[in-house]
Amino acid sequence: ELKVEQNPLFLSMQEGKNYTIYCNYSTTSDRLYWYRQDPGKSLESLFVLLSNGAVKQEGRLMASLDTKARLSTLHITAAVHDLSATYFCAVDLSGTASKLTFGTGTRLQVTL
Amino acid sequence: NAGVMQNPRHLVRRRGQEARLRCSPMKGHSHVYWYRQLPEEGLKFMVYLQKENIIDESGMPKERFSAEFPKEGPSILRIQQVVRGDSAAYFCASSPAWDRVYEQYFGPGTRLTVT
Repeated sequence: ELKVEQNPLFLSMQEGKNYTIYCNYSTTSDRLYWYRQDPGKSLESLFVLLSNGAVKQEGRLMASLDTKARLSTLHITAAVHDLSATYFCAVDLSGTASKLTFGTGTRLQVTL
Repeated sequence: NAGVMQNPRHLVRRRGQEARLRCSPMKGHSHVYWYRQLPEEGLKFMVYLQKENIIDESGMPKERFSAEFPKEGPSILRIQQVVRGDSAAYFCASSPAWDRVYEQYFGPGTRLTVT
């Protein structure tokens, strides 16, 4: 059974600081997604990583995928309060995103 | 282009009643997925449907839960004889058959509370 683990589960950081969220998964997959969820809201797609070595950046967020290590990272640069949310990674074993397995989520709180 | 629509957004049911959750996929999307999110947890896959077909229901509880996606109209997730443990947020997602990225677009969710 595929297991997807994120760490940390909770992260409190000051504005302006850098940090990395880790997503480990237990079975080979070359397709990984990152989502953001604000409290009481739906999921917003951040990144789709489709191959080993893939790196994508949007604003202060950068995601990477190492399929050999079964690891994806979401790096936050110079955090701002607006980034406060819960971040989920999701792994696709099917190759067609027909069944995503989500991580436990990382709740990020950026303090002023 | 409207996004994925779900209704109702909030639903309160007493134990033993039935809950019907509706999902209209994005225009042009023929694949629908249902997920359940318990408080403070990630989403758990329930079922994957295409028009008139259940493709993968490996995440659906064996009893009381059913899903359909008819030729016309929205996809429906039906929970019979609800229990307190069914209280959760239920999210629907859709994707187009032609998109090689197969990205899923999520709806706003239905928050079910069983009293």
